[in-house]
Amino acid sequence: AQSVTQLDSQVPVFEEAPVELRCNYSSSVSVYLFWYVQYPNQGLQLLLKYLSGSTLVKGINGFEAEFNKSQTSFHLRKPSVHISDTAEYFCAVTRLSGTYKYIFGTGTRLKVLA
Amino acid sequence: DAGVIQSPRHEVTEMGQEVTLRCKPISGHNSLFWYRQTMMRGLELLIYFNNNVPIDDSGMPEDRFSAKMPNASFSTLKIQPSEPRDSAVYFCASSLGPYNEQFFGPGTRLTVL
Repeated sequence: AQSVTQLDSQVPVFEEAPVELRCNYSSSVSVYLFWYVQYPNQGLQLLLKYLSGSTLVKGINGFEAEFNKSQTSFHLRKPSVHISDTAEYFCAVTRLSGTYKYIFGTGTRLKVLA
Repeated sequence: DAGVIQSPRHEVTEMGQEVTLRCKPISGHNSLFWYRQTMMRGLELLIYFNNNVPIDDSGMPEDRFSAKMPNASFSTLKIQPSEPRDSAVYFCASSLGPYNEQFFGPGTRLTVL
């Protein structure tokens, strides 16, 4: 069965420090991978996506993620966070064959501290 | 583009009442999704339409919930009768094909007293 795991429910980090938000997935077929961000009282919006090609994907607001097929991971990173990055981050996966599934992880709440 | 439009933004109702949530997807998008978000259960997919046809409604909690998409530019999610445990934020999202990026609306915050 297809699944997405975000191991960290909350990640506190000081402003200007680097951050990594972890995402692992399981699937027996090829997948597309996504990271979304949700600011308070708003809907989700796309940060970045991996469809194919280069395993290092750059997104908006200075975020990037690396697809690691052998470790079935798609961790999100930012070298220097800002207060405005405080939000909830969701990893999502969709498989490219078989029964359609678009699955979101449980989310990681990033809290950037001054 | 106005993005995905949802109405109302907030709804407060009493238990037993009928609630109808509305969604206008982005023009040209052919896939539409309804989600429910709560602190306890996170983000749950309720139903997914492709080309106005319901493809997967396995996430609809029970028969009190129903969803329709009469045309490519409008969808409704109805709860009848509503219960306090239905209180949540309901999101509509649309995409160009089911495998692509989903664009979310601002959500409807439903409170059932």
